[in-house]
Amino acid sequence: NAGVTQTPKFQVLKTGQSMTLQCAQDMNHEYMSWYRQDPGMGLRLIHYSVGAGITDQGEVPNGYNVSRSTTEDFPLRLLSAAPSQTSVYFCASSYFRDSEAFFGQGTRLTVV
Amino acid sequence: GIQVEQSPPDLILQEGANSTLRCNFSDSVNNLQWFHQNPWGQLINLFYIPSGTKQNGRLSATTVATERYSLLYISSSQTTDSGVYFCAAYSGNTPLVFGKGTRLSVIA
Repeated sequence: NAGVTQTPKFQVLKTGQSMTLQCAQDMNHEYMSWYRQDPGMGLRLIHYSVGAGITDQGEVPNGYNVSRSTTEDFPLRLLSAAPSQTSVYFCASSYFRDSEAFFGQGTRLTVV
Repeated sequence: GIQVEQSPPDLILQEGANSTLRCNFSDSVNNLQWFHQNPWGQLINLFYIPSGTKQNGRLSATTVATERYSLLYISSSQTTDSGVYFCAAYSGNTPLVFGKGTRLSVIA
């Protein structure tokens, strides 16, 4: 039982490049979400999903896309990376929206 | 949406001291969690506590939902307790909303 797995752990991108941050969970959780953490800002919600095929925007969705084709996976796509997207990204999952949430180890992304 | 505020923002303790971290929230909550972010950046679940009191070793937490606050107690602090402590709350239809955290440094 691996919990929530994020890949990669570290990534450096050039401005304008695209990439996908992967998130997978093996706990059969319906609810998954993506957060970004910036110094002094706590964690802010980017997108979330209440189940396969259903996604919604969070507090800071601009520049990011998501899809949820399976219960297990919830990838986050950066369409055209910008330096402002330099951050640490966390994926979380829970059985339902207000059940206990579990987080992956994070992806540290630098856009130069 | 709900606002979550944590205090103090920074705390420095001598090893062995006790401390209380506070989390205030602006609306009724469905649930509340406390996390510890260790120096390597990992988010560790501490408590899932909608109301009442829970204890886990040297740590305990109390949530008084009717008065919109939660407290995290750390007793006999150790250097390994250093890091950032976050509370996060669920309210209505909004997903988990985080406070900005309390940065704890425990000095030997």
